[in-house]
Amino acid sequence: QSALTQPASVSGSPGQSITISCTGTSSDVGTYNLVSWYQEHPGKAPKLIIYEVTNRPSGVSNRFSGSKSGNTASLTISGLQADDEADYYCCSYAGSRTVVFGGGTKLTVL
Amino acid sequence: QVQLQESGPGLVKPSETLSLTCAVSAYSISSTYYYWGWIRQPPGKGLEWIGSIYHSGSTDYSPSLKSRVTISIDTSKNHFSLKLSSVTAADTAVYYCASLYSTTWYLDYWGQGTLVTVSS
Repeated sequence: QSALTQPASVSGSPGQSITISCTGTSSDVGTYNLVSWYQEHPGKAPKLIIYEVTNRPSGVSNRFSGSKSGNTASLTISGLQADDEADYYCCSYAGSRTVVFGGGTKLTVL
Repeated sequence: QVQLQESGPGLVKPSETLSLTCAVSAYSISSTYYYWGWIRQPPGKGLEWIGSIYHSGSTDYSPSLKSRVTISIDTSKNHFSLKLSSVTAADTAVYYCASLYSTTWYLDYWGQGTLVTVSS
């Protein structure tokens, strides 16, 4: 059960859109539509922003959207804002009642 | 809404056992909708799944930690616990407890996290 692969860092200017990829295998991302994404600000607990690949919890901005193709899931943030600067983690169900996280991506808003 | 709070020693000696408890409030830990999980984050690193437990006591662990981890649940106290044996400096991390929605496996509520340092 290896960690999902995310880019270490991405950046964008306010108002722009960015996409963070999350690559797994046919044992996790490729088989299950059970990918979730978390936003983590320094010193804070992670916050759920996307679940079941595309769904947003109540209260999460519609600037956040998710998708999946094959073994790769993606998180897109549109209309970048300063407060979006954070670490982002993907997570996938991996069978046998276990989950696996991605290594995390640091988003810098220029 | 569901609230979770981790508690336990912040310093553990090498080779000893790390023990943490997660108190759940505003929700019954006996609910059939949730599993209850532990996640850790070494300083400056990413999140790592440790394992989870259902109200029935059924557990599932990360393969990489399975030999050292025990998660238990006390429904009468509405809390669940983590034990990690034979710790080393590599186990130094912020430990989080969280709720996992049972059918779709997302972690919707998290504790604030507690830093556990392994050092003599």
